[in-house]
Amino acid sequence: LAKTTQPISMDSYEGQEVNITCSHNNIATNDYITWYQQFPSQGPRFIIQGYKTKVTNEVASLFIPADRKSSTLSLPRVSLSDTAVYYCLVGVYNQGGKLIFGQGTELSVKP
Amino acid sequence: DTEVTQTPKHLVMGMTNKKSLKCEQHMGHRAMYWYKQKAKKPPELMFVYSYEKLSINESVPSRFSPECPNSSLLNLHLHALQPEDSALYLCASSPSTGLNSPLHFGNGTRLTVT
Repeated sequence: LAKTTQPISMDSYEGQEVNITCSHNNIATNDYITWYQQFPSQGPRFIIQGYKTKVTNEVASLFIPADRKSSTLSLPRVSLSDTAVYYCLVGVYNQGGKLIFGQGTELSVKP
Repeated sequence: DTEVTQTPKHLVMGMTNKKSLKCEQHMGHRAMYWYKQKAKKPPELMFVYSYEKLSINESVPSRFSPECPNSSLLNLHLHALQPEDSALYLCASSPSTGLNSPLHFGNGTRLTVT
């Protein structure tokens, strides 16, 4: 399974754009890259998923370079409510649903 | 609110007790999962069910026994647990086990073993 590496923590201020990078050097051809957000005492919540180039939804953007060995989650204009842990997941299709969470990035947004 | 409902929200049990955690989804998803999460750690995969059949068991001790009675329900039966089993137990579902099939999580059951 592709192992992911993310910064353990990041600090930001309200209104700023936040970029969290995930490294996945041994990503396989069939792998998708998925990001989840988790607040304390809640289950993780799906944010965005991509395979290559750029994906954007109402919450975030995901940038994936051509070699796919890393990806960057971009949160525009963060607010205090974006304070959470963000997980990057990379899985292997033929592992039948074996999605393994990495250590995650604890984002703290300050006023 | 989430579309995956877990009960109970909190559970305290002794090491000799038998209890069950329940998970329910009505999104028509055919894959269901149990994860265990300790404080300040990422969720750890325990079991995966695909079309009501156990497809992955991540070498979980036999004191944890999963059951999938139908496509909407997932149970985790607990027996003779240890204090170190205290954690947040998360249930998730997805349309399938394909990798472009994001997980939908419940808010978990906070388990304390005394």
